[in-house]
Amino acid sequence: AQSVTQLDSHVSVSEGTPVLLRCNYSSSYSPSLFWYVQHPNKGLQLLLKYTSAATLVKGINGFEAEFKKSETSFHLTKPSAHMSDAAEYFCVVRGGGNTGKLIFGQGTTLQVKP
Amino acid sequence: EPEVTQTPSHQVTQMGQEVILRCVPISNHLYFYWYRQILGQKVEFLVSFYNNEISEKSEIFDDQFSVERPDGSNFTLKIRSTKLEDSAMYFCASSVLRGQDTQYFGPGTRLTVL
Repeated sequence: AQSVTQLDSHVSVSEGTPVLLRCNYSSSYSPSLFWYVQHPNKGLQLLLKYTSAATLVKGINGFEAEFKKSETSFHLTKPSAHMSDAAEYFCVVRGGGNTGKLIFGQGTTLQVKP
Repeated sequence: EPEVTQTPSHQVTQMGQEVILRCVPISNHLYFYWYRQILGQKVEFLVSFYNNEISEKSEIFDDQFSVERPDGSNFTLKIRSTKLEDSAMYFCASSVLRGQDTQYFGPGTRLTVL
C-alpha cells in the first residue's frame, strides 16, 4: 500500500535561510509524488510533482524536491525562505495502479521568522 | 487562470440535518474528487467521480454520503443525516484525466455540525 510520512510536524526558519521539509514514502509501485501547500484560508496549491521523469523536480516559488529511491525520500527544499512561504505543506503520493486517489502526509507547518 | 470554486466557505448545521456542499470544477476537467480533513488529522480521500458515476470510494464514504453532477458545471456532495464527526474541511478537486494527472483543489468548505 502507498503511504507517506512527513518527519516534522513543525519547522521554523529565519527569513533568507534554507528550508528543508522531509518526506519519506512507501510504495509497491513506481510512485507519483507531489508537494502541495496550503496558505491560511486558501485551497491546496500544487508546488511540484514527480512522475518518474527527472529525479530533481523544480516547482513554483523557488521550491524543488529530489526523488531518492534508495532512501525512499522526497524532501522539499528552498535555498532562501521568504516570509510568504509560511504555510502548511503536504507530501502526497498517488494510490497504486490507475487510481486517482491521493494519499496525504500529516502536514508540516513552516514558520518563517523575520 | 481557471480554478476550482466551492460554496459555501463555511456551513453550520444541526446534527441529523442534510447538507449539500457545492463545487464548480475547472471547465474542461473530466474527473472530480472529494476529500476531507478533520481538524488536526490528515486530508483523506472520500470519492472520485467520472462520466456521471462513482469510479472509486473510500470506506468513509458510506450510505450517508452521495455525489452528483446535477448540471454541466456543478459537482455536489450530500450528507444525508449529519453527525458530529462529520465536522471537517471538505475539499473538492478536479483533473483532466485520472492516473498521472494533477488534481486541482478548491479552497474548501468548513462544515460544523452542532
